[in-house]
Amino acid sequence: NAGVMQNPRHLVRRRGQEARLRCSPMKGHSHVYWYRQLPEEGLKFMVYLQKENIIDESGMPKERFSAEFPKEGPSILRIQQVVRGDSAAYFCASSPRQAEAFFGQGTRLTVV
Amino acid sequence: QQQVKQSPQSLIVQKGGIPIINCAYENTAFDYFPWYQQFPGKGPALLIAIRPDVSEKKEGRFTISFNKSAKQFSLHIMDSQPGDSATYFCAASKKDNAGNMLTFGGGTRLMVKP
Repeated sequence: NAGVMQNPRHLVRRRGQEARLRCSPMKGHSHVYWYRQLPEEGLKFMVYLQKENIIDESGMPKERFSAEFPKEGPSILRIQQVVRGDSAAYFCASSPRQAEAFFGQGTRLTVV
Repeated sequence: QQQVKQSPQSLIVQKGGIPIINCAYENTAFDYFPWYQQFPGKGPALLIAIRPDVSEKKEGRFTISFNKSAKQFSLHIMDSQPGDSATYFCAASKKDNAGNMLTFGGGTRLMVKP
């Protein structure tokens, strides 16, 4: 059973470009969570999704950020018109309902 | 209300020592308290977790102590080894119908010297 798969592992974008981060949950997991980790800081919750539904997006910035978890395929975190402050590690976690969350290795986004 | 405060920020111990990392929370609705271990360049890995109906949980060399009245919990690492050198995060969540959204502490960078 493969773990949570995130790609790409590293992503470099110029200011103003779009960043797309992908997350494939563990087999049998229907809950996906996205977190952001700034350098030397803890992880901050961004959004919680189930298949085709956003359950809680209270941690998502109001502009430029969006997330989806379609019926088929990975969950996508999209950041439009990236700025330097978006540079961070973005982690995806998955869980079955009411159980421990397992994290992927993260995508390290660098905005230049 | 949603904060989890973690201390110390960094910790250095000798091999065989017992590092202790502390966390305090505010939201009394939290009912699940996991600890994660993170190595550089890797994602957090679940280490051990506790619910407020017990005051202590032990798994191998890792022990969580939980004080519900003080809203505090801590991680003890027995017989620490250089391979335990990592960043440790406490977290908390409400395991209600909303799932498992975690509020993390700020992290403790542990170094175990040989």
